[in-house]
Amino acid sequence: KAGVTQTPRYLIKTRGQQVTLSCSPISGHRSVSWYQQTPGQGLQFLFEYFSETQRNKGNFPGRFSGRQFSNSRSEMNVSTLELGDSALYLCASSLAWDTEAFFGQGTRLTVV
Amino acid sequence: DQQVKQNSPSLSVQEGRISILNCDYTNSMFDYFLWYKKYPAEGPTFLISISSIKDKNEDGRFTVFLNKSAKHLSLHIVPSQPGDSAVYFCAAQYNNNDMRFGAGTRLTVKP
Repeated sequence: KAGVTQTPRYLIKTRGQQVTLSCSPISGHRSVSWYQQTPGQGLQFLFEYFSETQRNKGNFPGRFSGRQFSNSRSEMNVSTLELGDSALYLCASSLAWDTEAFFGQGTRLTVV
Repeated sequence: DQQVKQNSPSLSVQEGRISILNCDYTNSMFDYFLWYKKYPAEGPTFLISISSIKDKNEDGRFTVFLNKSAKHLSLHIVPSQPGDSAVYFCAAQYNNNDMRFGAGTRLTVKP
């Protein structure tokens, strides 16, 4: 069974640009969550999608947005990138919103 | 590659008893370990952490034990309370780099 796949693995962008990250969940999983991980900040929740609907959102500015497609694949978009957006972005999928989540390897975003 | 493993998807304990959640890792480079707690429909929240230079860290009812030779850590909750019912994630990292997570263990504390 394939795991959660995140693409790309690494990304370098300049300030002011926008970026889109992709997450393919485990087959059959309908819940996808996104997290930001930075040194010292640990894991911070961005948002969670279930059946194409955003169910929950963390405390991040509106520059961070996401969506989920009918095949459960999800994308996360960050507009007007700032240096502080440099982080590892993790995606996790689960069968439902209240079952165990499986994390992808993450996308390492560096903003210069 | 699953560098952090939580082999028990679920655990059920009686209120007041001890809950023990286990985590194994394969990468000996890991030098910092964390436990996160996640309620349904909420993002995970940080619970407790331990550096590889220690073998035990306590915070109230929560204690994390690290056995470096066995590449194993555990989270003890004593006494367990119904409000502790959640999914618990073990995570590991090194050099302040990428954090690797286990799949999680669902803890149910029965009143």
